[in-house]
Amino acid sequence: AQKVTQAQTEISVVEKEDVTLDCVYETRDTTYYLFWYKQPPSGELVFLIRRNSFDEQNEISGRYSWNFQKSTSSFNFTITASQVVDSAVYFCALTSGSARQLTFGSGTQLTVLP
Amino acid sequence: EAGVTQFPSHSVIEKGQTVTLRCDPISGHDNLYWYRRVMGKEIKFLLHFVKESKQDESGMPNNRFLAERTGGTYSTLKVQPAELEDSGVYFCASSQAFGLAGYNEQFFGPGTRLTVL
Repeated sequence: AQKVTQAQTEISVVEKEDVTLDCVYETRDTTYYLFWYKQPPSGELVFLIRRNSFDEQNEISGRYSWNFQKSTSSFNFTITASQVVDSAVYFCALTSGSARQLTFGSGTQLTVLP
Repeated sequence: EAGVTQFPSHSVIEKGQTVTLRCDPISGHDNLYWYRRVMGKEIKFLLHFVKESKQDESGMPNNRFLAERTGGTYSTLKVQPAELEDSGVYFCASSQAFGLAGYNEQFFGPGTRLTVL
């Protein structure tokens, strides 16, 4: 069975603060993929990143960075110098083995205040 | 290139009525998925088409839900008869055929918000 836990339901920060969104996953498969999606107020899910289980290298894309640690089954997402436009619901997701569908966490509502 | 589109964006119906949701995937994408988010909970998988065939429908909640993908292009999801607990946001996603990369990103549509009164 697969499971994704996003323990932070809501986070509120002031603009320019750094914020980390936590994601913990469970799977018995050795091959798996992890994802982050952003859902802005407009409703669509926007793909941010994919990581496979064989690549633990951390990634940075502008103000976004991701920390993948297999030892703790975590795939955390950090936004540096947050902006109001970062306000959204962020979902962490997993797929593994022969499954093709995504298993999502419950999402974290991030609010960045001006 | 157009993204995944869904129609309608919102639907409000009464318990017992029928509703049909439509999804148009990105052109050329063989894989089409339906997901649902109920009452602020996690987004849950409903089913997966590869072209016109149902690859996995393990997430379909019951036989009141019927999904089709005639011709391997657009897909419809019909709920008949609708119940109160069917309220939520229904997302459609599509991805390219699986190749050596092992997995291709799913691109999501904006969702259909269904309210059953």
